[in-house]
Amino acid sequence: EVQLVESGGGLVQPGRSLRLSCAASGFTFDDYAMHWVRQAPGKGLEWVSGINWNSANIVYADSVKGRFTISRDNAKNSLYLQMNSLRTEDTALYYCAKDFGELNYFNYWGQGTLVTVSS
Amino acid sequence: DIQMTQSPSTLSASVGDRVTITCRASQSISTWLAWYQQKPGKAPKLLIYKASNLESGVPSRFSGSGSGTEFTLTISSLQPDDFATYYCQHYNTYPWTFGHGTKVEIK
Repeated sequence: EVQLVESGGGLVQPGRSLRLSCAASGFTFDDYAMHWVRQAPGKGLEWVSGINWNSANIVYADSVKGRFTISRDNAKNSLYLQMNSLRTEDTALYYCAKDFGELNYFNYWGQGTLVTVSS
Repeated sequence: DIQMTQSPSTLSASVGDRVTITCRASQSISTWLAWYQQKPGKAPKLLIYKASNLESGVPSRFSGSGSGTEFTLTISSLQPDDFATYYCQHYNTYPWTFGHGTKVEIK
């Protein structure tokens, strides 16, 4: 059974940093691209960033480019999102999502970790 | 960026109704479209990929169609478990974008 478990969310002041993690199990992690998708309270879904299986292809939404860094550790079956220079508009539930293959649609999602940016 | 426009934003329907949700892309995306269902407090769940392919385990009352810029998600006979918000998403090129969602409510 595929499981994606996010962690690392919390309350942080604007301008500060936070690192999210996603622990994956139930599939061969290094065969698949992975993504972060966020959802602001009461709002829709926004794709944030994606990384292919060997980290050779990394893409970001314009809204986070230059501030967020996605990475993965295939030996640890883990996905990460380093978030710097956080803004109030980054407040959201952050989901880790497994790609069907190589940067396609998302066939499994974690339950999310909440990031609140507020002074 | 490719913009995805869903309609309607809210839909009121009864159990047993046939329901259709439309998603339009701002430029052609061939059939690189997925549909997701999200219930309150839960993660999204994949329903349809490549516009018309039913994900394993999803009931056959769900179907998708379309290509290019216009797509539809149809629920042939609405069930109590289907009241949720539905999102379309393209994966033609990055950045991937979602529609704003269609909330299916009980009439």
